[in-house]
Amino acid sequence: AQSVTQPDARVTVSEGASLQLRCKYSYSGTPYLFWYVQYPRQGLQLLLKYYSGDPVVQGVNGFEAEFSKSNSSFHLRKASVHWSDSAVYFCALTPGGSGNKLIFGTGTLLSVKP
Amino acid sequence: ETAVFQTPNYHVTQVGNEVSFNCKQTLGHDTMYWYKQDSKKLLKIMFSYNNKQLIVNETVPRRFSPQSSDKAHLNLRIKSVEPEDSAVYLCASSLTVNTEVFFGKGTRLTVV
Repeated sequence: AQSVTQPDARVTVSEGASLQLRCKYSYSGTPYLFWYVQYPRQGLQLLLKYYSGDPVVQGVNGFEAEFSKSNSSFHLRKASVHWSDSAVYFCALTPGGSGNKLIFGTGTLLSVKP
Repeated sequence: ETAVFQTPNYHVTQVGNEVSFNCKQTLGHDTMYWYKQDSKKLLKIMFSYNNKQLIVNETVPRRFSPQSSDKAHLNLRIKSVEPEDSAVYLCASSLTVNTEVFFGKGTRLTVV
């Protein structure tokens, strides 16, 4: 069965520090992978996606993620966080042939201390 | 700028009532979805429509029924709501079945 695991329910960092949010997936093939962000009382916004090719993908607002097939991971990184990055971050995958069904992780609440 | 519009933003109702949520997308997309986000922020797909045809129907109670009048609209009706239906319902769309998914801001349902 396909699944996405985000082991950290909450991460707190200081403004200007670097950030890594972890994501592990379980899928027998090569999935399409995504990171979404959800601000309070908002829908989900796509940060970045990986379909194939270069395992490091760049997203919006300075975010990047690295796909590792050997580790079944798709960790999100940012070199220097801003207080406005405080939100819930979701990792998700789409199995091939699923009709674009997104399978989400449980989310990581990021709090950035000023 | 949001291009997937959901109404209402909030709805409070009593157990056993019927509710209906509307969703419209102005992106010209062919595929639309309903997701449910529970109180723990867990997100699960409920339905997916492509060109008004149902293509994904996860295991949801039969009291939930999607309704699509055209490619730009996908409404969700819940007959006889239960307390466990309290959640945020997110509508989404994508150009086709293998492209980026855009989400609306959600409808928060509270069943009392």
